[in-house]
Amino acid sequence: SQTIHQWPATLVQPVGSPLSLECTVEGTSNPNLYWYRQAAGRGLQLLFYSVGIGQISSEVPQNLSASRPQDRQFILSSKKLLLSDSGFYLCAWSTRQSSNTEAFFGQGTRLTVV
Amino acid sequence: GNSVTQMEGPVTLSEEAFLTINCTYTATGYPSLFWYVQYPGEGLQLLLKATKADDKGSNKGFEATYRKETTSFHLEKGSVQVSDSAVYFCALRLMAGTALIFGKGTTLSVSS
Repeated sequence: SQTIHQWPATLVQPVGSPLSLECTVEGTSNPNLYWYRQAAGRGLQLLFYSVGIGQISSEVPQNLSASRPQDRQFILSSKKLLLSDSGFYLCAWSTRQSSNTEAFFGQGTRLTVV
Repeated sequence: GNSVTQMEGPVTLSEEAFLTINCTYTATGYPSLFWYVQYPGEGLQLLLKATKADDKGSNKGFEATYRKETTSFHLEKGSVQVSDSAVYFCALRLMAGTALIFGKGTTLSVSS
C-alpha cells in the first residue's frame, strides 16, 4: 500500500532563517506531488506541484521554492523565512492516470515563524 | 476560472442533528468532486467522492450528490456525532494529474 511521510510535524523558526520540509511517498511510482499551505481562515492554497523529477510548477509568487530530486521525494525550502510564512504545510500525492482519483495527504507540518 | 465555494462556518450542532454543508463549483469542463475531512492537528482524509453527474458518494453516514444542473455537491448527514467535529473541505479536479482545487473549508462543531 502507498504511504506518504512528511516531517517535521512541528517547527518553530526565527525570521530570516532557512527552511527545509521534506515529503516522501512509498508504494507508488511516478506520482504527481503537491505542496499546499493552510493559513488560519484561508483554506488550502496550492503552492507547488510536480509531475516528475526536476519539474516544478509554482502557483503563487512567494518566498518559498520546491525541488524534486528523486521520483518520490518533494522538498519545500526557503532561504529566509518571513513572519507571513507561518502556517500548516501539507504535502500530497496523486496518480497521473485519471481525474477520478483523489489526492492523498501527509500529516502536515505546523510552521511558526517568530 | 475554476473554483469551489463553501458555506461559511462555523457550523454548530447538537448531537443527532441533521447536517448540511453547501458546496458549489465553477469549472470549465466536467470535474470530479470530493469531500475531505480534517481532524484537529492532522492532514486531510478523503471522505467521499463523485466522478460524474448524478453520482452519489457516501461514507460513514455522509452523502453528497453531484448535481450538474446546479453545479453543487452538498454534504449531508442524517445524525451527527461529537466525533464528527472537524473541518470539511469540498474540492474538484478537472484533469488527470492536475491539482485539486479546494474550498475554504467549513468548521463543524458538534456538542453532546
